[in-house]
Amino acid sequence: DIQMTQSPSSLSASVGDRVTITCRASQGIGNDLGWYQQKPRKAPERLIYGASSLQSGVPSRFSGSASGTEFTLTISSLQPEDFATYYCLQHNSYPWTFGQGTKVEIK
Amino acid sequence: EVQLLESGGGLVQPGGSLRLSCAASGFTFNSYAMTWVRQAPGKGLECVSLISTSYSTYYADSVKGRFTISRDNSKNTLYLQMSSLRAEDTALYYCASDMRKPYDYWGQGTLVTVSS
Repeated sequence: DIQMTQSPSSLSASVGDRVTITCRASQGIGNDLGWYQQKPRKAPERLIYGASSLQSGVPSRFSGSASGTEFTLTISSLQPEDFATYYCLQHNSYPWTFGQGTKVEIK
Repeated sequence: EVQLLESGGGLVQPGGSLRLSCAASGFTFNSYAMTWVRQAPGKGLECVSLISTSYSTYYADSVKGRFTISRDNSKNTLYLQMSSLRAEDTALYYCASDMRKPYDYWGQGTLVTVSS
């Protein structure tokens, strides 16, 4: 199975901060990766698909990038509504696997 | 409007069985692979099972041999038959459409609690 190692597991940041979250795949997955945001008691919502394509309706402050087996989600200027938990998901090979999650909290 | 509505969750004793359903509307159900994703209380997300448009099935090791995914395209409904349930199967179970596509859809989840 492909392991997705996500870091950090949590972070504290202020409104306006630039935030970076990373997922590293245990083997090559091409660009078969999505980033999800989950707020308490809500289903996850995808922000990024294909490693770097912004989902329709998602603010442009969110961006994704890839370098080999390392994938990055960047929030350029953190907004109050961005405090949530973020997950990466690889869908290159079965079983599809999520990263462990990153909880973004208010500093 | 796209809707995925899960049902069938509840309290079940260890070793028991339960069948989850997910009624889909607002998109061409038979054109999408479908998945079940679960989230244990306070924990992360886990892809439990997937069924393709050609009815190929895939399972996480944690449920292989105990869970069976199926679909009825005539009813636009996805199922998850769960047997030999364990305490560690306690989770909120989401159905979701094919996460490989540019758009994916999620339900709001149905809670399964395995406890005596």
